[in-house]
Amino acid sequence: KAGVTQTPRYLIKTRGQQVTLSCSPISGHRSVSWYQQTPGQGLQFLFEYFSETQRNKGNFPGRFSGRQFSNSRSEMNVSTLELGDSALYLCASSLGQGGQETQYFGPGTRLLVL
Amino acid sequence: AQSVTQLGSHVSVSEGALVLLRCNYSSSVPPYLFWYVQYPNQGLQLLLKYTSAATLVKGINGFEAEFKKSETSFHLTKPSAHMSDAAEYFCAVSDKRDDKIIFGKGTRLHILP
Repeated sequence: KAGVTQTPRYLIKTRGQQVTLSCSPISGHRSVSWYQQTPGQGLQFLFEYFSETQRNKGNFPGRFSGRQFSNSRSEMNVSTLELGDSALYLCASSLGQGGQETQYFGPGTRLLVL
Repeated sequence: AQSVTQLGSHVSVSEGALVLLRCNYSSSVPPYLFWYVQYPNQGLQLLLKYTSAATLVKGINGFEAEFKKSETSFHLTKPSAHMSDAAEYFCAVSDKRDDKIIFGKGTRLHILP
């Protein structure tokens, strides 16, 4: 079974631009979560989707948004990019809901904002 | 609110020695606890998880962790370190209410030859 895939793997943008990141979960998985990883802040939860509905959201500004499609694929969008948005963005999928579910992580998208 | 504290941002052990990575959690309800490993330029891989069954949890690559409620700890151990264990390790907590995982800051494990 294929793992979680994220595209693109690397991205360079300039301040003020917007970016869309894509995540394809493991086949059959309906929950997708997004995390931001930076050296200073570590791993921080962005949001989680289940069956096209956002169930949870972390403490990030409204510039960060996401959505999930009927095939469970998810996209994350960041508008008006800032230098501090440079990070590794990780997507994770799980079979169902609930804190006990194992989340499987993709390799991440490394975003550099210049 | 849930939180996770990992003691030591860097830990060095000799090859063949015991690995001990410390994790303490805070949670108002019985937690689910996880250890993940991240190799350079890769995503996170689950090592093991505790979901209120046995308190001693065995994971992949010879790692295990023990849930101690009285100490609010979930330390990760491996009897004998291998060079391939060099990576960053994250302890994480979640609860029954949602899928949000709270991660610790991570501990980078260095293996000395």
